[in-house]
Amino acid sequence: LAKTTQPISMDSYEGQEVNITCSHNNIATNDYITWYQQFPSQGPRFIIQGYKTKVTNEVASLFIPADRKSSTLSLPRVSLSDTAVYYCLVGVRNTGFQKLVFGTGTRLLVSP
Amino acid sequence: DAGVIQSPRHEVTEMGQEVTLRCKPISGHDYLFWYRQTMMRGLELLIYFNNNVPIDDSGMPEDRFSAKMPNASFSTLKIQPSEPRDSAVYFCASSPTGWATDTQYFGPGTRLTVL
Repeated sequence: LAKTTQPISMDSYEGQEVNITCSHNNIATNDYITWYQQFPSQGPRFIIQGYKTKVTNEVASLFIPADRKSSTLSLPRVSLSDTAVYYCLVGVRNTGFQKLVFGTGTRLLVSP
Repeated sequence: DAGVIQSPRHEVTEMGQEVTLRCKPISGHDYLFWYRQTMMRGLELLIYFNNNVPIDDSGMPEDRFSAKMPNASFSTLKIQPSEPRDSAVYFCASSPTGWATDTQYFGPGTRLTVL
């Protein structure tokens, strides 16, 4: 089963824009791409979801190219409270059936 | 709504003992998921239910693991016998409709330590 990969970690400063990319080569045709945020000792929390092109909500944007084999979560003007681990979640097709796979996770550290 | 409720929050047991983790999904949600999170393997889907019926249990690591959902408001994940490598945080999540990539609401997790 192909992995859904992300950079292990990223560092940023308050007020900067952060872009986190997830690679998902075997994404299923009809599945959405969803991103979650996780703080220590908590369960993941929904951030944003999309199928193609660009989606924006009050906290983030999600960019998805036409081939949908990757996606980029964009966090505008990060603050210290955005320090967390970020995961993508996709449905992956493998030998005729679909599996739900979380990405490897990206640990974002925002500094003053 | 109180969100997804899991119990216990922490469990410490000895190798060979039976462990039962419990989950109460958000009322009205049709899907329930069990995940395991470790440093080495990240977040892994173990099993999910739709309307109380198990749909995909291919992520269950071995026969020592079993999950049930006797009704729409309760599910259990059982490990028997437990082993040290089962130590992890186990999350339950529920989703209102649709496929699994619909928004999932996670519980706080159960941290399991098997000595």
